[in-house]
Amino acid sequence: AQTVTQSQPEMSVQEAETVTLSCTYDTSESDYYLFWYKQPPSRQMILVIRQEAYKQQNATENRFSVNFQKAAKSFSLKISDSQLGDAAMYFCAYRSAGSGNTPLVFGKGTRLSVIA
Amino acid sequence: DGGITQSPKYLFRKEGQNVTLSCEQNLNHDAMYWYRQDPGQGLRLIYYSQIVNDFQKGDIAEGYSVSREKKESFPLTVTSAQKNPTAFYLCASSIAAGLGVTNEKLFFGSGTQLSVL
Repeated sequence: AQTVTQSQPEMSVQEAETVTLSCTYDTSESDYYLFWYKQPPSRQMILVIRQEAYKQQNATENRFSVNFQKAAKSFSLKISDSQLGDAAMYFCAYRSAGSGNTPLVFGKGTRLSVIA
Repeated sequence: DGGITQSPKYLFRKEGQNVTLSCEQNLNHDAMYWYRQDPGQGLRLIYYSQIVNDFQKGDIAEGYSVSREKKESFPLTVTSAQKNPTAFYLCASSIAAGLGVTNEKLFFGSGTQLSVL
């Protein structure tokens, strides 16, 4: 079974600075998807960024980018120019890319605080 | 607008009582999922269904039951056998593979907070 590990329960960053959230995963599969979801105080799950394992290029969405290291099974999230609205729980998740609909496997999350 | 609707937003359970959490989607998605969220535990899979009239147990299915009689609906019943039901419950859905569109993203509802009286 696949597992996802987020080793930083809490992180903080100064407004306008850059922060990196860590995520490692364990799998024997070669094709899969990786995600970062944000959960603000409203508790609505918001997709931040996704990465397909067969793509070597790191995904980028505005101020959010990932560092995907397939051999190391690492998938970190970098938030640039941090804003107060970035304060939230961040979850790393893994999904098999086989046919059908497999569930997401989540890490335990990292709580990010943004200091004004 | 298409989306996933969970109700109620807050639910209270008395000891020994079964309660049912509703999840409805109008996205025409084949697959639906139930996750439980506890502080510091992330999201853990309870049950999922890939197609109508079929569902599979997740990692923490004990004390829960589901049904999938309609494509749009995937209700979760928290039975009296679940001794620690206080948690935030999230429902999600996704489109089937092989339809010519990317299928990897899950769409989430806004959740139900269940507490024990």
